[in-house]
Amino acid sequence: QKEVEQNSGPLSVPEGAIASLNCTYSDRVSQSFFWYRQYSGKSPELIMSIYSNGDKEDGRFTAQLNKASQYVSLLIRDSQPSDSATYLCAVISPSGTYKYIFGTGTRLKVLA
Amino acid sequence: EAGVAQSPRYKIIEKRQSVAFWCNPISGHATLYWYQQILGQGPKLLIQFQNNGVVDDSQLPKDRFSAERLKGVDSTLKIQPAKLEDSAVYLCASSSSFVETQYFGPGTRLLVL
Repeated sequence: QKEVEQNSGPLSVPEGAIASLNCTYSDRVSQSFFWYRQYSGKSPELIMSIYSNGDKEDGRFTAQLNKASQYVSLLIRDSQPSDSATYLCAVISPSGTYKYIFGTGTRLKVLA
Repeated sequence: EAGVAQSPRYKIIEKRQSVAFWCNPISGHATLYWYQQILGQGPKLLIQFQNNGVVDDSQLPKDRFSAERLKGVDSTLKIQPAKLEDSAVYLCASSSSFVETQYFGPGTRLLVL
């Protein structure tokens, strides 16, 4: 089992729709969770971080964390073509040294 | 505030040659990371420094890869000798601590022929 799992996609949604990106992690004691966006040929950039169960909203983005289910998601409301990118889930696992582990990413395509 | 700087941006070498990458983190950031990202995959951590000490290098192929962070600021990553499978983007990132947000540099694209 991979430590951080994401569906590679592509996930295609029409413009204006809600895009839902999911991530599961294997280390039950993981503490910190991050969503990064990576445009083709560019470096990852942070969208949101979440540390406690529940929802965290920032503009059109909502991160949801469920530690019991070891599940973190990112919702993008009113999706725009400019949201088309790969979305990377990252988890900090405190087991041993604090390891920052990235998933393989989900490619999102927003269709105009 | 200046971001993470990396050089060179692109490098093409032949297999068995050596190559070195340089990274200058955001000022004051104690934690520095080197990642390898192969096309279509997420970043894979190669080595993590806390100041000038190595915290994690469990995924660094030590027979060919080496990294150092002298004086706890700049860092260099070296590959000697390079293999075809080393073709990837090498990302440097820094953070104020190992539980905080990472900020990435532009990356170095390496092509090994």
